[in-house]
Amino acid sequence: ETGVTQTPRHLVMGMTNKKSLKCEQHLGHNAMYWYKQSAKKPLELMFVYNFKEQTENNSVPSRFSPECPNSSHLFLHLHTLQPEDSALYLCASSPTGGGDQPQHFGDGTRLSIL
Amino acid sequence: EDQVTQSPEALRLQEGESSSLNCSYTVSGLRGLFWYRQDPGKGPEFLFTLYSAGEEKEKERLKATLTKKESFLHITAPKPEDSATYLCAVGGGADGLTFGKGTHLIIQP
Repeated sequence: ETGVTQTPRHLVMGMTNKKSLKCEQHLGHNAMYWYKQSAKKPLELMFVYNFKEQTENNSVPSRFSPECPNSSHLFLHLHTLQPEDSALYLCASSPTGGGDQPQHFGDGTRLSIL
Repeated sequence: EDQVTQSPEALRLQEGESSSLNCSYTVSGLRGLFWYRQDPGKGPEFLFTLYSAGEEKEKERLKATLTKKESFLHITAPKPEDSATYLCAVGGGADGLTFGKGTHLIIQP
């Protein structure tokens, strides 16, 4: 496989459930990102990991918990979500952190909160 | 705080009708300006990176240009397969990118 792969592609969960989103990149990059994309709004940066260290947490509620076990894998653990958390969650990677390199995106997980 | 504003929000063109999309930005120290294409149900697909005013990049019917305050994505003789949402983003001091809301482009046959 090549590129950035996200699983699952679609997820429906209740507000009391716990679930995890997975992202894997096969590009040999060292920085990984989570973004939230909601209708009529720009992509919102959530978290950044650079060489497995978290370098950005963009004031994200604690019901979202990221994990980066190595440079190729990124997880987003979800618990006690709210209806307004329904959105497309996108993972991206780049060679290193810093805003001078293009980020390459997966196709996202479409999350619906009942 | 970095900001990106894209216009128009939506644009409908006839096949072959050339036009331009605008991306205005404010950033404390531009490290890169990026254009992406996003199709429905897909993630953004990288198109171009521009680093300094006066720089231009081309790919098929698309040409991106950059000034100190804005970038343009010029579409020459578009085809229906160019229909998509085009996103502009800037890299500043932080590690992530700041995105605009995008321009939804429709090319009618």
